[in-house]
Amino acid sequence: AQSVTQLGSHVSVSEGALVLLRCNYSSSVPPYLFWYVQYPNQGLQLLLKYTTGATLVKGINGFEAEFKKSETSFHLTKPSAHMSDAAEYFCAVTTIYNQGGKLIFGQGTELSVKP
Amino acid sequence: DTAVSQTPKYLVTQMGNDKSIKCEQNLGHDTMYWYKQDSKKFLKIMFSYNNKELIINETVPNRFSPKSPDKAHLNLHINSLELGDSAVYFCASSTDRGSGNTIYFGEGSWLTVV
Repeated sequence: AQSVTQLGSHVSVSEGALVLLRCNYSSSVPPYLFWYVQYPNQGLQLLLKYTTGATLVKGINGFEAEFKKSETSFHLTKPSAHMSDAAEYFCAVTTIYNQGGKLIFGQGTELSVKP
Repeated sequence: DTAVSQTPKYLVTQMGNDKSIKCEQNLGHDTMYWYKQDSKKFLKIMFSYNNKELIINETVPNRFSPKSPDKAHLNLHINSLELGDSAVYFCASSTDRGSGNTIYFGEGSWLTVV
């Protein structure tokens, strides 16, 4: 079984500051890792994902994440926050063995951006 | 064109009623899902279908019955609604189950039971 822990249910940064959202996972087999973003009253949009290959993954809107197996982490970063980045962010894990392609989500981190 | 569309977006209904949420995807995907997001924003899978075949039923009460008339549609029918059913229900789809394929989500259906 897999699990995801997102450290910090709420993160607040100033516009232009570094965004760092933390995600740690647990999996006994190689994981596939995802970050999704949810804007208010909207669905989930994929930011980026790691399956195999390069451990530094670049996504949309200037976000990137690095898969670190030794630390069981997949933290999401963005060098400079914009007001439009304010949203809920979800880290999720699955594996090739997950029946039905089930995604296991973390509890989410709400990102606030101060002007 | 919306890739995964679900209706209605907002639904307010009384306890004991029966309601349905419809979902359609135009991505040509084989696998469709229903996820539930509770009041604390926690997301959990409810059902997964592959080519109209039920793959996952994640210990959901049998008041919830998914129906997939074809691989582009996955509807969710809920009988005898309870207050605890109030949540956001997301339909989603992917090209295949597993293998790290991206799961595309709909805009959600906000269900409020009063």
